[in-house]
Amino acid sequence: AQTVTQSQPEMSVQEAETVTLSCTYDTSESDYYLFWYKQPPSRQMILVIRQEAYKQQNATENRFSVNFQKAAKSFSLKISDSQLGDAAMYFCAYRSGADAGGTSYGKLTFGQGTILTVHP
Amino acid sequence: NAGVTQTPKFQVLKTGQSMTLQCAQDMNHNSMYWYRQDPGMGLRLIYYSASEGTTDKGEVPNGYNVSRLNKREFSLRLESAAPSQTSVYFCASRLGPVEQPQHFGDGTRLSIL
Repeated sequence: AQTVTQSQPEMSVQEAETVTLSCTYDTSESDYYLFWYKQPPSRQMILVIRQEAYKQQNATENRFSVNFQKAAKSFSLKISDSQLGDAAMYFCAYRSGADAGGTSYGKLTFGQGTILTVHP
Repeated sequence: NAGVTQTPKFQVLKTGQSMTLQCAQDMNHNSMYWYRQDPGMGLRLIYYSASEGTTDKGEVPNGYNVSRLNKREFSLRLESAAPSQTSVYFCASRLGPVEQPQHFGDGTRLSIL
């Protein structure tokens, strides 16, 4: 079974600074997807960014980028120019790529989450 | 565009009571999921439905049942609620192709006394 570990229960950053959230995972699969979700106090689960394991290029979405190290099974999230609205719980999640004939059917395995505080 | 709608948003039950959490999506998605989120933990999969007419157990199915009523709706039932089922419950859906992400509802906060 796959596992996802976020070793930082809490992180803080000054507004306009950069912060990196860590995530490691364990899998024997070669085809999979990785995601970062943001959960603000409103409880919504908002997709921030995703990475396909077969792609070597790191995904980027505006101020959010990832450092995907497949061999090390590491998937960190970098938030640049942090804003007050970035304050939230962030979850790293794994999904198998083996839908057809497999048993994953797109289910996500989540890490424990990292609470990000942004100081003005 | 509503996306994934969960009802109710909050509920308090007494131990032993039964309840059904409702979930509906209007995106014509094939797969639907129920997760629970406990303090200090990520979301854990309770049940999922890969397509209309099928349901399967996830990581933590004990104490729950599900029904995929049609393509739009996927309900979660607690037959005899227990305090250990106090949690925030999320429903999610996904179109189908493997690269598509899941879309989440806003969650139901359920407290069992």
